[in-house]
Amino acid sequence: GQSLEQPSEVTAVEGAIVQINCTYQTSGFYGLSWYQQHDGGAPTFLSYNGLDGLEETGRFSSFLSRSDSYGYLLLQELQMKDSASYFCAVRDSFKTIFGAGTRLFVKA
Amino acid sequence: GAVVSQHPSRVICKSGTSVKIECRSLDFQATTMFWYRQFPKKSLMLMATSNEGSKATYEQGVEKDKFLINHASLTLSTLTVTSAHPEDSSFYICSATNRVSTDTQYFGPGTRLTVL
Repeated sequence: GQSLEQPSEVTAVEGAIVQINCTYQTSGFYGLSWYQQHDGGAPTFLSYNGLDGLEETGRFSSFLSRSDSYGYLLLQELQMKDSASYFCAVRDSFKTIFGAGTRLFVKA
Repeated sequence: GAVVSQHPSRVICKSGTSVKIECRSLDFQATTMFWYRQFPKKSLMLMATSNEGSKATYEQGVEKDKFLINHASLTLSTLTVTSAHPEDSSFYICSATNRVSTDTQYFGPGTRLTVL
Protein backbone atom coordinates (compact mmCIF):
# COMPACT_ATOMS: atom_id res chain seq x y z
CA GLY A 1 0.00 0.00 0.00
CA GLN A 2 0.91 3.62 -0.13
CA SER A 3 1.44 5.62 3.05
CA LEU A 4 3.05 8.72 4.44
CA GLU A 5 3.89 8.92 8.13
CA GLN A 6 4.40 12.16 10.01
CA PRO A 7 3.94 13.07 13.67
CA SER A 8 0.45 14.21 14.57
CA GLU A 9 1.53 17.09 16.82
CA VAL A 10 4.61 19.09 17.68
CA THR A 11 4.93 21.88 20.23
CA ALA A 12 7.78 24.38 20.34
CA VAL A 13 8.53 27.82 21.73
CA GLU A 14 8.88 31.03 19.82
CA GLY A 15 12.37 31.51 18.40
CA ALA A 16 13.20 27.81 18.50
CA ILE A 17 13.89 25.36 15.67
CA VAL A 18 11.56 22.48 14.93
CA GLN A 19 11.89 19.53 12.56
CA ILE A 20 8.90 17.67 11.16
CA ASN A 21 9.75 14.27 9.75
CA CYS A 22 8.00 12.39 6.98
CA THR A 23 8.57 8.82 5.86
CA TYR A 24 6.83 7.45 2.83
CA GLN A 25 6.04 4.24 1.05
CA THR A 26 4.66 4.72 -2.44
CA SER A 27 4.52 2.84 -5.71
CA GLY A 28 6.51 5.52 -7.49
CA PHE A 29 8.29 8.68 -6.47
CA TYR A 30 8.58 11.95 -8.29
CA GLY A 31 9.20 14.31 -5.42
CA LEU A 32 8.33 15.33 -1.86
CA SER A 33 6.48 18.56 -1.16
CA TRP A 34 5.48 20.39 1.97
CA TYR A 35 2.36 22.47 2.48
CA GLN A 36 1.20 24.71 5.31
CA GLN A 37 -2.43 25.06 6.27
CA HIS A 38 -3.86 27.42 8.88
CA ASP A 39 -7.18 26.54 10.48
CA GLY A 40 -10.04 27.32 8.12
CA GLY A 41 -7.69 28.11 5.27
CA ALA A 42 -6.38 26.35 2.22
CA PRO A 43 -2.97 24.69 1.98
CA THR A 44 -0.13 26.80 0.65
CA PHE A 45 2.98 25.42 -0.97
CA LEU A 46 6.20 25.67 1.05
CA SER A 47 8.86 23.61 -0.67
CA TYR A 48 9.65 20.78 -3.04
CA ASN A 49 12.47 18.23 -3.14
CA GLY A 50 12.93 16.19 -6.29
CA LEU A 51 16.49 15.18 -5.55
CA ASP A 52 18.37 14.27 -2.39
CA GLY A 53 19.61 17.08 -0.23
CA LEU A 54 18.54 20.27 1.41
CA GLU A 55 16.43 23.03 -0.09
CA GLU A 56 16.34 26.35 1.77
CA THR A 57 13.72 29.06 1.47
CA GLY A 58 14.07 31.72 4.11
CA ARG A 59 13.29 30.34 7.56
CA PHE A 60 12.09 27.04 6.08
CA SER A 61 14.29 24.23 4.79
CA SER A 62 13.35 20.82 3.49
CA PHE A 63 15.48 17.72 3.18
CA LEU A 64 15.08 14.52 1.21
CA SER A 65 16.82 11.15 1.27
CA ARG A 66 15.33 8.94 -1.42
CA SER A 67 17.33 5.90 -0.32
CA ASP A 68 15.73 6.17 3.12
CA SER A 69 12.29 7.21 1.82
CA TYR A 70 12.53 10.04 4.30
CA GLY A 71 12.32 13.76 4.38
CA TYR A 72 11.87 16.56 6.85
CA LEU A 73 10.78 20.16 7.08
CA LEU A 74 12.88 22.42 9.26
CA LEU A 75 11.43 25.63 10.61
CA GLN A 76 13.83 28.10 12.18
CA GLU A 77 13.25 31.19 14.31
CA LEU A 78 9.72 30.06 15.02
CA GLN A 79 7.03 32.71 15.15
CA MET A 80 3.54 32.51 16.56
CA LYS A 81 2.12 32.73 13.06
CA ASP A 82 3.85 29.44 12.22
CA SER A 83 1.22 27.64 14.32
CA ALA A 84 -0.54 25.60 11.65
CA SER A 85 -0.78 22.14 10.14
CA TYR A 86 2.03 20.95 7.91
CA PHE A 87 1.50 18.27 5.31
CA CYS A 88 4.11 16.30 3.46
CA ALA A 89 3.02 15.10 0.04
CA VAL A 90 4.53 12.64 -2.40
CA ARG A 91 3.89 12.57 -6.11
CA ASP A 92 3.82 8.99 -7.32
CA SER A 93 3.20 7.70 -10.84
CA PHE A 94 -0.38 8.91 -10.93
CA LYS A 95 -1.16 11.50 -8.30
CA THR A 96 -0.05 13.38 -5.21
CA ILE A 97 -0.66 11.70 -1.87
CA PHE A 98 -0.82 13.76 1.29
CA GLY A 99 0.21 12.75 4.77
CA ALA A 100 -2.18 13.13 7.69
CA GLY A 101 -0.56 16.39 8.72
CA THR A 102 1.40 17.61 11.73
CA ARG A 103 -0.15 20.26 13.91
CA LEU A 104 2.50 22.67 15.12
CA PHE A 105 1.78 24.69 18.24
CA VAL A 106 4.13 27.60 18.86
CA LYS A 107 4.13 28.91 22.41
CA ALA A 108 5.36 32.27 23.63
CA GLY B 1 1.24 34.71 -9.70
CA ALA B 2 -0.47 31.29 -9.61
CA VAL B 3 -3.67 32.36 -7.91
CA VAL B 4 -6.63 30.01 -7.68
CA SER B 5 -10.07 31.20 -6.65
CA GLN B 6 -13.08 29.25 -5.50
CA HIS B 7 -16.69 30.27 -5.34
CA PRO B 8 -18.65 30.21 -3.15
CA SER B 9 -16.54 30.23 0.00
CA ARG B 10 -19.44 29.01 2.10
CA VAL B 11 -22.75 27.44 1.20
CA ILE B 12 -25.59 26.11 3.27
CA CYS B 13 -28.23 24.09 1.49
CA LYS B 14 -31.13 21.79 2.20
CA SER B 15 -30.85 18.07 1.87
CA GLY B 16 -31.69 16.91 -1.64
CA THR B 17 -30.54 20.03 -3.46
CA SER B 18 -27.51 20.33 -5.74
CA VAL B 19 -24.61 22.66 -5.18
CA LYS B 20 -22.08 23.85 -7.74
CA ILE B 21 -18.59 24.95 -6.73
CA GLU B 22 -16.37 26.81 -9.17
CA CYS B 23 -12.60 26.72 -9.26
CA ARG B 24 -10.70 29.20 -11.40
CA SER B 25 -7.03 29.74 -12.10
CA LEU B 26 -6.78 33.51 -12.35
CA ASP B 27 -3.38 34.17 -13.85
CA PHE B 28 -2.27 30.92 -15.43
CA GLN B 29 -3.56 28.09 -17.53
CA ALA B 30 -4.18 25.04 -15.41
CA THR B 31 -3.17 21.87 -17.18
CA THR B 32 -4.69 19.80 -14.42
CA MET B 33 -7.13 20.56 -11.64
CA PHE B 34 -7.74 18.47 -8.56
CA TRP B 35 -10.67 18.30 -6.18
CA TYR B 36 -10.13 17.40 -2.54
CA ARG B 37 -12.32 16.89 0.43
CA GLN B 38 -11.13 17.59 3.94
CA PHE B 39 -12.74 16.77 7.26
CA PRO B 40 -11.85 18.82 10.36
CA LYS B 41 -8.29 18.31 11.48
CA LYS B 42 -7.80 15.62 8.85
CA SER B 43 -5.74 15.31 5.72
CA LEU B 44 -6.73 16.11 2.17
CA MET B 45 -8.58 13.33 0.43
CA LEU B 46 -8.28 13.42 -3.34
CA MET B 47 -11.65 13.01 -4.99
CA ALA B 48 -10.83 13.41 -8.64
CA THR B 49 -8.35 14.72 -11.18
CA SER B 50 -9.51 16.61 -14.21
CA ASN B 51 -7.81 17.75 -17.38
CA GLU B 52 -9.35 20.31 -19.67
CA GLY B 53 -11.63 18.81 -22.26
CA SER B 54 -11.56 15.27 -20.93
CA LYS B 55 -13.49 13.27 -18.38
CA ALA B 56 -12.38 13.46 -14.79
CA THR B 57 -10.59 10.54 -13.20
CA TYR B 58 -12.26 9.67 -9.93
CA GLU B 59 -10.58 8.06 -6.97
CA GLN B 60 -11.80 4.74 -5.68
CA GLY B 61 -14.89 5.11 -3.54
CA VAL B 62 -15.92 8.48 -4.99
CA GLU B 63 -19.28 8.36 -6.76
CA LYS B 64 -18.94 10.04 -10.13
CA ASP B 65 -22.71 10.45 -10.46
CA LYS B 66 -22.88 12.25 -7.15
CA PHE B 67 -19.86 14.48 -7.58
CA LEU B 68 -20.00 15.79 -11.14
CA ILE B 69 -16.86 17.45 -12.39
CA ASN B 70 -16.65 19.56 -15.49
CA HIS B 71 -13.41 21.06 -16.74
CA ALA B 72 -14.69 23.36 -19.44
CA SER B 73 -11.56 25.40 -20.05
CA LEU B 74 -7.93 25.76 -19.00
CA THR B 75 -8.99 28.15 -16.26
CA LEU B 76 -12.25 26.74 -14.96
CA SER B 77 -13.37 23.52 -13.32
CA THR B 78 -16.65 22.94 -11.51
CA LEU B 79 -17.71 20.40 -8.92
CA THR B 80 -21.42 19.78 -8.53
CA VAL B 81 -22.60 17.89 -5.47
CA THR B 82 -25.90 16.39 -6.57
CA SER B 83 -28.73 15.56 -4.20
CA ALA B 84 -26.66 16.64 -1.25
CA HIS B 85 -27.06 14.96 2.12
CA PRO B 86 -25.76 15.96 5.55
CA GLU B 87 -22.88 13.48 5.24
CA ASP B 88 -21.65 15.50 2.25
CA SER B 89 -20.98 18.43 4.57
CA SER B 90 -17.28 19.10 4.37
CA PHE B 91 -14.53 21.46 3.23
CA TYR B 92 -13.99 21.10 -0.51
CA ILE B 93 -10.72 22.41 -1.94
CA CYS B 94 -9.55 22.59 -5.51
CA SER B 95 -5.99 22.89 -6.71
CA ALA B 96 -4.31 23.39 -10.03
CA THR B 97 -0.95 22.83 -11.63
CA ASN B 98 0.51 24.70 -14.55
CA ARG B 99 2.79 23.67 -17.40
CA VAL B 100 5.84 25.26 -15.80
CA SER B 101 5.68 23.66 -12.38
CA THR B 102 3.76 20.41 -12.52
CA ASP B 103 5.04 19.38 -9.07
CA THR B 104 3.49 22.34 -7.29
CA GLN B 105 -0.19 22.50 -6.57
CA TYR B 106 -1.80 25.88 -6.11
CA PHE B 107 -4.82 25.61 -3.88
CA GLY B 108 -8.01 27.57 -3.90
CA PRO B 109 -9.31 29.00 -0.62
CA GLY B 110 -11.81 26.18 -0.22
CA THR B 111 -15.59 25.95 0.05
CA ARG B 112 -17.31 25.06 3.30
CA LEU B 113 -20.46 23.08 2.45
CA THR B 114 -23.10 22.53 5.11
CA VAL B 115 -26.09 20.38 4.21
CA LEU B 116 -29.03 20.69 6.58
